[in-house]
Amino acid sequence: GAGVSQSPSNKVTEKGKDVELRCDPISGHTALYWYRQRLGQGLEFLIYFQGNSAPDKSGLPSDRFSAERTGESVSTLTIQRTQQEDSAVYLCASSQDLRGELFFGEGSRLTVL
Amino acid sequence: GEDVEQSLFLSVREGDSSVINCTYTDSSSTYLYWYKQEPGAGLQLLTYIFSNMDMKQDQRLTVLLNKKDKHLSLRIADTQTGDSAIYFCAESMKGGSYIPTFGRGTSLIVHP
Repeated sequence: GAGVSQSPSNKVTEKGKDVELRCDPISGHTALYWYRQRLGQGLEFLIYFQGNSAPDKSGLPSDRFSAERTGESVSTLTIQRTQQEDSAVYLCASSQDLRGELFFGEGSRLTVL
Repeated sequence: GEDVEQSLFLSVREGDSSVINCTYTDSSSTYLYWYKQEPGAGLQLLTYIFSNMDMKQDQRLTVLLNKKDKHLSLRIADTQTGDSAIYFCAESMKGGSYIPTFGRGTSLIVHP
């Protein structure tokens, strides 16, 4: 596709369950970012992948959060033992250059009951 | 305080100009951006400015940068109802990091 694709668009889960969120970046974009947007809040940086370099995980809020990226393609964000405070929209973005122009997906809305 | 600060709401009448303000803390920020988020959608880049510029104009949009005060503004001329959205200010390249830092966003409401 032409843009960043995220799935699922909506996910409702029970507290304590694990969830996986997927991001398909724009082809050829070497950088991939995950952000979290809680209701009424700004974007909170989670993790950044750049090519084959070690990811910058400095934004992950706890060890329940992890992410992987295969080469310069799909990324998966995993949240283990979900808590209610994990409810948010998880946004993925990719970029081609270091100028920082990010192209965002529509997000995955996670609701933890 | 937060790295990037914005007021949360702005309400304007259709046809008037809107000015959305942003302040940032790190003088080493090299790139400053304005993103727009429409309801239910991801963010889209509206415009950006390099830190060595004072002003950038793009059709109805004017970006002003005051490096001394670390203040960035976005002016939208002849605001339309379709401009109603959340506008995010972001900075990047501060301290050599490529990871953009975003403000909390300003909700622009345009009424007839």
